[in-house]
Amino acid sequence: RKEVEQDPGPFNVPEGATVAFNCTYSNSASQSFFWYRQDCRKEPKLLMSVYSSGNEDGRFTAQLNRASQYISLLIRDSKLSDSATYLCVVNQNGGFKTIFGAGTRLFVKA
Amino acid sequence: DVKVTQSSRYLVKRTGEKVFLECVQDMDHENMFWYRQDPGLGLRLIYFSYDVKMKEKGDIPEGYSVSREKKERFSLILESASTNQTSMYLCASRTTSVDYEQYFGPGTRLTVT
Repeated sequence: RKEVEQDPGPFNVPEGATVAFNCTYSNSASQSFFWYRQDCRKEPKLLMSVYSSGNEDGRFTAQLNRASQYISLLIRDSKLSDSATYLCVVNQNGGFKTIFGAGTRLFVKA
Repeated sequence: DVKVTQSSRYLVKRTGEKVFLECVQDMDHENMFWYRQDPGLGLRLIYFSYDVKMKEKGDIPEGYSVSREKKERFSLILESASTNQTSMYLCASRTTSVDYEQYFGPGTRLTVT
């Protein structure tokens, strides 16, 4: 079993749709959590950190469920520019071990 | 703005060659990382350095070595390149705090023929 698992997709959604991604992690001692975005042929960039209380940044909402060991990302009112791969990232062991999920591809179509 | 630069965007080498990939960051970050990214496998950590002259093996260190002589520079070395090391190589840096993001360089697409 992979330490961090994501549905690879692709998710094909129309503009304006709401789409949600989940990511599960296997190590209950994981300490910090992030969502990164990676555009085609570009480097990953931080989209948002994920806090225990959940957090929202505009159209994006991230949640952490420690009991079930998953994090989620919700995108509301999808834009064409949201088309990208979304990477789930988990830090363990004081951050020395950072594990990236393989990513979920999103295509938003007009 | 944090900037992480990598010495080459594209590199083609022959099997058995020694390959150096250089990474420089300008934000005085303590931690630096080397990953490779392959389709379906995501980013896998090769080596991590938490300070000058310090290094830790990641998940896939075999066939690689690293050097961190200065805080801003972290080098990845392929001692004898092989075709299965054809990949996208990404360098990243971060402050010591685990709660902060990693900043990535643009990547080096290495092809070993």
